[in-house]
Amino acid sequence: QVQLQESGPGLVKPSQTLSLTCSVSGGSISSGSYYWSWIRQPAGKGLEWIGRIYTSGSTNYNPSLKSRITISADTSKNQFSLKLSSVTAADTAVYYCARASGVAFDFWGQGTLVTVSS
Amino acid sequence: EIVLTQSPDFQSVTPKEKVTITCRASQSIGSSLHWYQQKPDQSPKLLIKFASQSFSGVPSRFSGSGSGTDFTLTINSLEAEDAATYYCHQSSSLPQTFGQGTKVEIK
Repeated sequence: QVQLQESGPGLVKPSQTLSLTCSVSGGSISSGSYYWSWIRQPAGKGLEWIGRIYTSGSTNYNPSLKSRITISADTSKNQFSLKLSSVTAADTAVYYCARASGVAFDFWGQGTLVTVSS
Repeated sequence: EIVLTQSPDFQSVTPKEKVTITCRASQSIGSSLHWYQQKPDQSPKLLIKFASQSFSGVPSRFSGSGSGTDFTLTINSLEAEDAATYYCHQSSSLPQTFGQGTKVEIK
């Protein structure tokens, strides 16, 4: 059973960079045909797809955030990461990492709340 | 960007009743439509993939149908544990998008 776990600071100051890591167990991020994604959810609101990294290392980003996002992978640690620069209060949300098999998200992390505030 | 519009936004239902949630896409997405259940303070869980394929371990009372632009999630004989918000999600084109959610409350 694949398990994902997000980690990172829960509080980030405005204009700084949000950095989160997703640790994967029960499967390798460098094998199979999977997309490893980041999704966020502001409190009381819906889900927003941020971007993804494929097993091969190729990436796709949401155009609404593209200029500020970097998603990367560390296969030696079986982790993938999100960096979101120049954050504002609008970036406050629960951030989820998830695996897409085919393209439906079949496994999700528990989510981590990131608050942007000075 | 493909917009997904769910209806209704909220539904209050008695146990054993049938629930129908619809998701309409702003353009044709074939069968690249998936459904998730999210309970409070939990991450979403995949229920249905590719419009009608049940995900492993999902109770048989959950079913999906549709193609193109119109899709339906049906919960037959609602149980108390089904109280949640349900989201549709399209993977036909980037950026992937989600519907706004439908909250199902148990009366």
